[in-house]
Amino acid sequence: QSVVTQPPSASGTPGQRLTISCSGSSSNIGSNPVNWYQQLPGAAPKLLIYSNDQRPSGVAGRFSGSKSGTSASLAISGLQSEDEADYYCAAWDDSLIYVFGTGTKVTVL
Amino acid sequence: QLQLQQSGPGLVRPSESETLSLTCSVSGGSVSRSSYFWGWIRKPPGKGLEWIASIYDVGKVYHNPSLKTRVSISVDTSKNQFSLNLRSVTAADTAVYYCARHAGYSRDPHVFDIWGQGTMVTVPS
Repeated sequence: QSVVTQPPSASGTPGQRLTISCSGSSSNIGSNPVNWYQQLPGAAPKLLIYSNDQRPSGVAGRFSGSKSGTSASLAISGLQSEDEADYYCAAWDDSLIYVFGTGTKVTVL
Repeated sequence: QLQLQQSGPGLVRPSESETLSLTCSVSGGSVSRSSYFWGWIRKPPGKGLEWIASIYDVGKVYHNPSLKTRVSISVDTSKNQFSLNLRSVTAADTAVYYCARHAGYSRDPHVFDIWGQGTMVTVPS
């Protein structure tokens, strides 16, 4: 089954810029748009980024997404304590499945 | 603003004959609107998100291959809701289950933009 890989954890201090990577394959990230979700403790996931780099209305501008080849990144500029959460990338795979990344736990020090 | 409200049991006995059934009621919009599609995702304790299945227009359904033989998903337009059935449950199916809407963006049709509140389902071992 298709695997999309993220680092299990990332951390930073308030105000810092933090980047989370997401590595897939030609059948998912390489050929389909990437999505990013934020899951706060005890809450349902929330859409942060769609179409690789688009923010839905209401999502803070400090979140930004990018994609290159079979990899993608989520950047959080001006890290805040409320950004402490799990982050997942995801993409449609050409084998007709929706694949989530392994997830990254962000800690604000 | 469209909202999704989940309902279903929090405890299901492990058995080949037991089926986990969850329902997601849609408010503030229609489940039959052609540009929107519907899906289910779960998060086992201590693990990441796992896509289960999605239903698109004309009843086209896609499943996670690891669950395909046990999963069915359907839409009830008369009740404005959609449902998940997972058969032959075991302790490995213990998870928080979420329903969600595929936004149907023309360039990104599969992204989930609206999520239900989640239902913790426990299957004792």
